[in-house]
Amino acid sequence: QKEVEQDPGPLSVPEGAIVSLNCTYSNSAFQYFMWYRQYSRKGPELLMYTYSSGNKEDGRFTAQVDKSSKYISLFIRDSQPSDSATYLCAMSGTASKLTFGTGTRLQVTL
Amino acid sequence: DSGVTQTPKHLITATGQRVTLRCSPRSGDLSVYWYQQSLDQGLQFLIQYYNGEERAKGNILERFSAQQFPDLHSELNLSSLELGDSALYFCASSRGGYSEAFFGQGTRLTVV
Repeated sequence: QKEVEQDPGPLSVPEGAIVSLNCTYSNSAFQYFMWYRQYSRKGPELLMYTYSSGNKEDGRFTAQVDKSSKYISLFIRDSQPSDSATYLCAMSGTASKLTFGTGTRLQVTL
Repeated sequence: DSGVTQTPKHLITATGQRVTLRCSPRSGDLSVYWYQQSLDQGLQFLIQYYNGEERAKGNILERFSAQQFPDLHSELNLSSLELGDSALYFCASSRGGYSEAFFGQGTRLTVV
């Protein structure tokens, strides 16, 4: 079993939809949670960074962490075609090594 | 622009050769990570350095090695290259081991 599981998609939604992206994990030592966006063949771009459980909002993006369920989510409101990319979750604990999910490919259609 | 600089952007080399990839972290960042991403694959962690010391090791092949220098830049050395080593190699940096990491734009390695 992988430490971090993420549905690879692809996920196709119409413009303006609310997108929900999720990851589950098995390592209870993870405390730091991140979401990255990666356009094709480009470096991953940090979108959200959260510590422990709770919600964090930044513009159209909301990150949620539920440590009791070992489940994290990223919500994108009012999705745009420019949001079409691969979204990667990442997490770390005391070992300080970032562990990534495999990424979910999102396509926002007109 | 993340502030992390990787050179070269593209590299084409023959099997059996050796190459060196370079990473300059963001100003003030002490930790450097190296990742490999093959076509349509996820990010595979190779190795992490913190302030010159190796901090964590992933599935890094024995043919690969890395180091972080006193000025905090890092180099990833790949030797006896095989066709399967063709991939994007990313470097990321962070303030410390537990803070968010920022990625460079990667080096695209093609082994022919």
